[in-house]
Amino acid sequence: DAGVIQSPRHEVTEMGQEVTLRCKPISGHNSLFWYRQTMMRGLELLIYFNNNVPIDDSGMPEDRFSAKMPNASFSTLKIQPSEPRDSAVYFCASSLGGGFGANVLTFGAGSRLTVL
Amino acid sequence: SQQGEEDPQALSIQEGENATMNCSYKTSINNLQWYRQNSGRGLVHLILIRSNEREKHSGRLRVTLDTSKKSSSLLITASRAADTASYFCATDTYSGAGSYQLTFGKGTKLSVIP
Repeated sequence: DAGVIQSPRHEVTEMGQEVTLRCKPISGHNSLFWYRQTMMRGLELLIYFNNNVPIDDSGMPEDRFSAKMPNASFSTLKIQPSEPRDSAVYFCASSLGGGFGANVLTFGAGSRLTVL
Repeated sequence: SQQGEEDPQALSIQEGENATMNCSYKTSINNLQWYRQNSGRGLVHLILIRSNEREKHSGRLRVTLDTSKKSSSLLITASRAADTASYFCATDTYSGAGSYQLTFGKGTKLSVIP
């Protein structure tokens, strides 16, 4: 298995532009997580899905952020419009899920976003 | 919000020495996990210890958990230059409606000097 695949690896955009980050989880994993990492705030959970259904999106900073998981093998995180404070590394991770004690995550390599 | 807090924030040791990192957390947990992150990479799972366990070993890693003190420690024995990375503790907690969340601390940056 190629692991969790994220694209793009790097994105530089201007304030106000739409940004779409993509993730392909490990086949057979039924939970998918989006995290954001910054020096100031560390790793923050933005949203997670179980069986393609969003379970908890309380970490999504504001309405400019949205995430979808149309099928078990693909998820997107969209920021529209983007702002300089959105600059961070965004990680996608997947797990077998299943509840108690089963959330061992496999992370992608991350998408480094810079908003000018 | 941060659940786990690692201590120290940074640690520098000589190759061959042992490295100890600590993690404290605030609420009850189902399990606690440690992850490693090499510069520019994603996090990699190292070890999981359940709330009813006190100690666990994996190769050169030893993890302890004290639920009464809400703390855990990660010991890396006989460190190598390749162990240079950031280490994160993550707490798996029930967040309601049948869902569980994994919340990460800010990490300990370990430098192993050859």
